[in-house]
Amino acid sequence: GAVVSQHPSWVICKSGTSVKIECRSLDFQATTMFWYRQFPKQSLMLMATSNEGSKATYEQGVEKDKFLINHASLTLSTLTVTSAHPEDSSFYICSASGGTGVSTGELFFGEGSRLTVL
Amino acid sequence: LAKTTQPISMDSYEGQEVNITCSHNNIATNDYITWYQQFPSQGPRFIIQGYKTKVTNEVASLFIPADRKSSTLSLPRVSLSDTAVYYCLVGDRQAGTALIFGKGTTLSVSS
Repeated sequence: GAVVSQHPSWVICKSGTSVKIECRSLDFQATTMFWYRQFPKQSLMLMATSNEGSKATYEQGVEKDKFLINHASLTLSTLTVTSAHPEDSSFYICSASGGTGVSTGELFFGEGSRLTVL
Repeated sequence: LAKTTQPISMDSYEGQEVNITCSHNNIATNDYITWYQQFPSQGPRFIIQGYKTKVTNEVASLFIPADRKSSTLSLPRVSLSDTAVYYCLVGDRQAGTALIFGKGTTLSVSS
């Protein structure tokens, strides 16, 4: 199946700093990418939807100024957690929907990125 | 978006068949049913997808009754490595449609 890769797999940062997480579709062009957040022993929560070349659509309760999403190309979306605080510590997962190279509508998930804010 | 209801947890032993049922009473005409598996600290992994009747692949079967208000994921002869959280999702397969996750079913397989 199609591959979605996230980087970094895990990151530790100090409170107040910003962290960028990359999500890449390796063998297909993703017209839409989604970002989820998952706290321990909980389900995935959709944060935002981003389409290439346009502004992301955020779910209710997700601060767009804190979680900056950029989808500049058909193979790359980035999530930047600005001024991170300990409560932002979580597992962030991206998924991508094709696109050229895969059946339209298939959804592929990245491996996830573990963020720990000290 | 259709909401799904699954058992919170299930226990099984190696070699047994496990059936996890999901309720989705408000499923829409264009919605497909997709099951994902998730191990700790990993992204969800696609298991199987269907629209109606029965779908089978190398790892599982999916049974969907005619009214499509529920579905059952069947895992034949589970092993310890099948211990994971299983999510049932319903949604339109159109590109750009997000999938909303419910609470999932934690399957524990013992020897």
